Amino acid sequence: DGGITQSPKYLFRKEGQNVTLSCEQNLNHDAMYWYRQDPGQGLRLIYYSQIVNDFQKGDIAEGYSVSREKKESFPLTVTSAQKNPTAFYLCASRTGTGSGYGYTFGSGTRLTVV
Amino acid sequence: AQSVTQPDIHITVSEGASLELRCNYSYGATPYLFWYVQSPGQGLQLLLKYFSGDTLVQGIKGFEAEFKRSQSSFNLRKPSVHWSDAAEYFCAVGVNFNKFYFGSGTKLNVKP
Repeated sequence: DGGITQSPKYLFRKEGQNVTLSCEQNLNHDAMYWYRQDPGQGLRLIYYSQIVNDFQKGDIAEGYSVSREKKESFPLTVTSAQKNPTAFYLCASRTGTGSGYGYTFGSGTRLTVV
Repeated sequence: AQSVTQPDIHITVSEGASLELRCNYSYGATPYLFWYVQSPGQGLQLLLKYFSGDTLVQGIKGFEAEFKRSQSSFNLRKPSVHWSDAAEYFCAVGVNFNKFYFGSGTKLNVKP
C-alpha cells in the first residue's frame, strides 16, 4: 500500500546533538512537508519542498534543516540550535492542486531531549 | 492574519449521543477546509474536506461538516458517536496549496 513512513517512532537526543528524522513516501507526490506538534498548539509548519532539490522555510524553521535529494525522501535534521526540540514531528505529502488536493500524513516521530 | 479556532479543548459525550465540534476561521476569502482525526501517537487521517459547492459535506466514519460562510465556521457533526471515535480532532484551513493552518485540536472522550 502507498503511504508515508517515518522512522524512528521514538527518538532520544542528548542536548547539543543533531538528530535526523526520516520520512519516505511511495505515493509519487511532488510536495512534502514537516510539521511540529506540541500539546494544545496544533501543528506548525517547519519546512516544505515542492520539488527535488528545492525547499522553503515554514513558520518555525529556526534550528532545523532539510534536504530533498530524491522525490521519495525528505529528511529533517534537528540541530543543536533548536532550543526546545522535544515534540511530535509529522511528515506529510500533498497530492493534487484542484479538488483532489489533500495531505497525507505519516505516523510521526516523537523526539525527546534527555 | 489567518487563524483557525477550535474553542473546545475537551469534549465528553456518551456513546450513541450526537456530536458537534466547532471550528471558526479567519481568512479574507473562502479557503479550503478540512477536518482530520488523530489517535494517540499516530498521524492525522482526513475525515472530510470542503472546496466549493454544496456546503454540507460527507466524510468517512459517518462524519459530516457544514460550511457557513456568514459565520466563518466549519463545524463537524456525527449523529451517533461510537466509542472508537475517541480521539483528537483538528480543523485545518488551506490558504494555498502549501499553507495549511491548523486549529489547536479538540479531544473527544466517549463515555460508555
